[in-house]
Amino acid sequence: GENVEQHPSTLSVQEGDSAVIKCTYSDSASNYFPWYKQELGKRPQLIIDIRSNVGEKKDQRIAVTLNKTAKHFSLHITETQPEDSAVYFCAASRGQKVTFGTGTKLQVIP
Amino acid sequence: KAGVTQTPRYLIKTRGQQVTLSCSPISGHRSVSWYQQTPGQGLQFLFEYFSETQRNKGNFPGRFSGRQFSNSRSEMNVSTLELGDSALYLCASSLGPLESSGEYFGPGTRLTVL
Repeated sequence: GENVEQHPSTLSVQEGDSAVIKCTYSDSASNYFPWYKQELGKRPQLIIDIRSNVGEKKDQRIAVTLNKTAKHFSLHITETQPEDSAVYFCAASRGQKVTFGTGTKLQVIP
Repeated sequence: KAGVTQTPRYLIKTRGQQVTLSCSPISGHRSVSWYQQTPGQGLQFLFEYFSETQRNKGNFPGRFSGRQFSNSRSEMNVSTLELGDSALYLCASSLGPLESSGEYFGPGTRLTVL
């Protein structure tokens, strides 16, 4: 089955700096890669996604890149703000079989 | 559109009891997945339902079961509860298996087993 590895498990950045979270996947048939943000005590929320026919996608301060050959994808957050502090999960999907990474706890220090 | 709803939000049970959790997906979403979330294990996939059929199942014992109704609402059941079953149980809905799309999560049911 699919295996998704996510790094780092924790990440601290100064407000205004960039943050990068990386994931690798094992199943070359996976074709959809969503990212979720989970604030403390709240449900995970989809923040951005990318499909296998696209190499990069941006939405304001967040961007995701995908390298299908290497089977890895990354989340980039620029100009981080305290409200970006949360746990971020990557996921790889084929059809509706979704496998999540183990999560990255991002702390943005004011 | 109303979001994914889950009931109850909180449950306290004792070992050996059973519990049933309910999930109502977003209108028009036909696929429902269930996850167990614990601090040490992250998001663990339990199972996924589409058209009243279980399509995928995670690595959980048979004490964990579920079903989906014709209106896409889903329930999951845990029998013979163990202390280790204490967790946040999240359901998520999506359009369906033919279209890879994001899942939208409910608020979760916090289960505490004493």
